[in-house]
Amino acid sequence: QVQLQQWGAGLLKPSETLSLTCGVFNGSFTNYYWSWVRQAPGKGLEWIGEISDSGKGNHNPSLKSRVTISVDKSKNQFSLSLTSVTAADTAVYYCARGRWVVVGGTVVWFDSWGQGTLVTVSS
Amino acid sequence: SYELTQPPSVSVSPGQTAKITCSGDALPKKYAYWYQQKSGQAPALVIYEDRRRPSGIPQRFSGSSSGTTATLTISGAQVEDEADYYCYSTDNSGNHRVFGGGTKLTVL
Repeated sequence: QVQLQQWGAGLLKPSETLSLTCGVFNGSFTNYYWSWVRQAPGKGLEWIGEISDSGKGNHNPSLKSRVTISVDKSKNQFSLSLTSVTAADTAVYYCARGRWVVVGGTVVWFDSWGQGTLVTVSS
Repeated sequence: SYELTQPPSVSVSPGQTAKITCSGDALPKKYAYWYQQKSGQAPALVIYEDRRRPSGIPQRFSGSSSGTTATLTISGAQVEDEADYYCYSTDNSGNHRVFGGGTKLTVL
């Protein structure tokens, strides 16, 4: 059973950079999309972005160019960087493993999740 | 940007059938997925590719899709099924993933 374990700073000041890392244990790192999803307090889920094990990525256009998702195959880890954070970025951030199927394009869906990390942005 | 629309809440009595809908323009061509999220927990997949059920998910959970609407059905809902349910899919470009706004299911 694959396990995703995530870590990173939980308290940031406005304009700082959010950095989270997710480690993949007891499972293959190849042939999956590695993704990030967040959930603001009391709100719904929001897809942030994804990266394949080969480095192909997509991200939510609403986050513009603030998002970078990278992968380190040698460590079975992937990371999220979100620059210039504001209070609106306060949320629980989840990493997730994405399985994929080609149906009129590549469809990615999540079958395993990390435990979530609460990131608070406050001055 | 692409949107998936769900009702904010659905309420049923134990043993009744709960239906949660999800509307989106790309659903005729893209699969719908359903996630259950209980309070304080990470989401869990309950239906994938419109109607397929992951191992370990009770048979009372089923999915269907017709036109621009996908539906999650819980036949004989139980108190432990109380949770937020999110539909999920991909836009027509195939590059961007979207969650619906979520539906709070109350069973009492």
